[in-house]
Amino acid sequence: GENVEQHPSTLSVQEGDSAVIKCTYSDSASNYFPWYKQELGKGPQLIIDIRSNVGEKKDQRIAVTLNKTAKHFSLHITETQPEDSAVYFCAASHTNAGGTSYGKLTFGQGTILTVHP
Amino acid sequence: NAGVTQTPKFRVLKTGQSMTLLCAQDMNHEYMYWYRQDPGMGLRLIHYSVGEGTTAKGEVPDGYNVSRLKKQNFLLGLESAAPSQTSVYFCASSTPRDGNYEQYFGPGTRLTVT
Repeated sequence: GENVEQHPSTLSVQEGDSAVIKCTYSDSASNYFPWYKQELGKGPQLIIDIRSNVGEKKDQRIAVTLNKTAKHFSLHITETQPEDSAVYFCAASHTNAGGTSYGKLTFGQGTILTVHP
Repeated sequence: NAGVTQTPKFRVLKTGQSMTLLCAQDMNHEYMYWYRQDPGMGLRLIHYSVGEGTTAKGEVPDGYNVSRLKKQNFLLGLESAAPSQTSVYFCASSTPRDGNYEQYFGPGTRLTVT
């Protein structure tokens, strides 16, 4: 089955700096890569995702890049703010037209991001 | 829209006791999932359901059972709790409609087994 490795496990930055979190996956059939943000005491929430036919996707201060050949993808957060402090999870999935993957996700171990004012 | 709700929020069990966690969603989603979250291990899929009356095993199903008698509810049962089942449990739902694969998560249940 799929295995997703995420690094670093903790990341501390100063407000205004950039933060990068990296993930690798093992199953070359995976074609959907979401990133979830989990605030303290809450469930994870999708912040951005990318599909394997795209190399990069941006949404305001966050961006995700995908290298299918190397089987790794990264989350980039620019101009970090204290409210970006949270746990971030990458995930991988194989979605297909028939829907038989049922949206199942394999998650990375998580990265605790702390943004210091 | 309440989204995905979970009850209870906290629970303490003694080894060998049983309990049921309830997940409810009001988005008419076909798919529902149960995960457990442990430090340094991310979220691991316990069981999932692709529709009313169906269930399937995930990555870590041992010691758990599930039922989906109604489309909006997904129950997770522990028949004989063990300390290794101390964890935070999350329910999520999604739909295959319109190609959106986003999973919507509940707020979690923190379970301690002593």
